[in-house]
Amino acid sequence: QKEVEQDPGPLSVPEGAIVSLNCTYSNSAFQYFMWYRQYSRKGPELLMYTYSSGNKEDGRFTAQVDKSSKYISLFIRDSQPSDSATYLCAMVGGSYIPTFGRGTSLIVHP
Amino acid sequence: SQTIHQWPATLVQPVGSPLSLECTVEGTSNPNLYWYRQAAGRGLQLLFYSVGIGQISSEVPQNLSASRPQDRQFILSSKKLLLSDSGFYLCAWSPGRTGRSYEQYFGPGTRLTVT
Repeated sequence: QKEVEQDPGPLSVPEGAIVSLNCTYSNSAFQYFMWYRQYSRKGPELLMYTYSSGNKEDGRFTAQVDKSSKYISLFIRDSQPSDSATYLCAMVGGSYIPTFGRGTSLIVHP
Repeated sequence: SQTIHQWPATLVQPVGSPLSLECTVEGTSNPNLYWYRQAAGRGLQLLFYSVGIGQISSEVPQNLSASRPQDRQFILSSKKLLLSDSGFYLCAWSPGRTGRSYEQYFGPGTRLTVT
């Protein structure tokens, strides 16, 4: 079993939809949870990070962590074609080396 | 503000040739530095990381090596490239010694094709 599981997609939604992206993990030592956005042929960009359980909101993006279920989510409200990218989750425990998911490809069509 | 540079952006090299990729960070001191490779459909593979000058940890034994000659410079090298070395190479930094090492910031990447 991989430490972090993420559905590769692609996930295709119409513009304006609410998008839900998810990751599950097995290592209970993870404490910090991050979401990165990666456009084609570019480096990943850190979107948000959350410590432990709970929600964090930043504009149209909401990150949610449920440590009891070992499940994290990223919600995108009012999705735009410019949100089309690959979204990677990442997690860090006692070390400073994150474990990344493989990424979910999101396509928002006009 | 902090900036991370990588070069070259694209590289096509024959099998057996040497490799040198460079990464520099501006606007911060004592960063942790990382080299990743991203192959299609395979996610990010951590190759090397460094917490200080001359301190390199290898995650994957292979024909690649890394060096950190200066605080904000990280170099990825190979003496002889293999076909399997093709991929998208990403350098990243995180704030060292601040408790925020979980934040990683990536460079624009180098796309390497070994022919």
